[in-house]
Amino acid sequence: QKEVEQDPGPLSVPEGAIVSLNCTYSNSAFQYFMWYRQYSRKGPELLMYTYSSGNKEDGRFTAQVDKSSKYISLFIRDSQPSDSATYLCAMSARGGAAGNKLTFGGGTRVLVKP
Amino acid sequence: GAGVSQSPSNKVTEKGKDVELRCDPISGHTALYWYRQSLGQGLEFLIYFQGNSAPDKSGLPSDRFSAERTGGSVSTLTIQRTQQEDSAVYLCASSLGGVVNTEAFFGQGTRLTVV
Repeated sequence: QKEVEQDPGPLSVPEGAIVSLNCTYSNSAFQYFMWYRQYSRKGPELLMYTYSSGNKEDGRFTAQVDKSSKYISLFIRDSQPSDSATYLCAMSARGGAAGNKLTFGGGTRVLVKP
Repeated sequence: GAGVSQSPSNKVTEKGKDVELRCDPISGHTALYWYRQSLGQGLEFLIYFQGNSAPDKSGLPSDRFSAERTGGSVSTLTIQRTQQEDSAVYLCASSLGGVVNTEAFFGQGTRLTVV
């Protein structure tokens, strides 16, 4: 079983709908949680970064972390066709001099239809 | 520079040849990471640098893979005697490093094809 599980999709939604993405993980040491967006043939682009449990909002994006359930979510409100991409969750157990090696989910492909 | 820069963007090589992939991190970022992204495999950690030293090389798949970093800046990933299974996108990321965990920013990647 992988340390981080993510439904590969594809997830198809109409323009304006809420996109709901999630990941589950097994390593209770994970403390830092990130969501990346990756367009085809491009590098991953950091969308959201959170530490420990709780919610974080940035524009149309909301990230939620529930460490007790080992479950993280990303919500995209008022989705646009330009949001069509692969969304990757990533997490790490430690930082500082010891490094913050990221463990990624496999990515969810999202398609927002006009 | 403004972002993480990787070169070349594409590389086609014959099986058995050596290749070098280059990464220029964001200026001032002390931490540098190499990842590999294969179809169906997701993003796989290869190696982490803090400054010029590599405290974590646990993801390098074989001794054909090596990496170095000089001047706390540019890093080179070298693959010797390339095999077809080495075909993938090789991604580099950098972060500030330091006492607390910081965000990692990725380059556009080098798409390696071994024929």
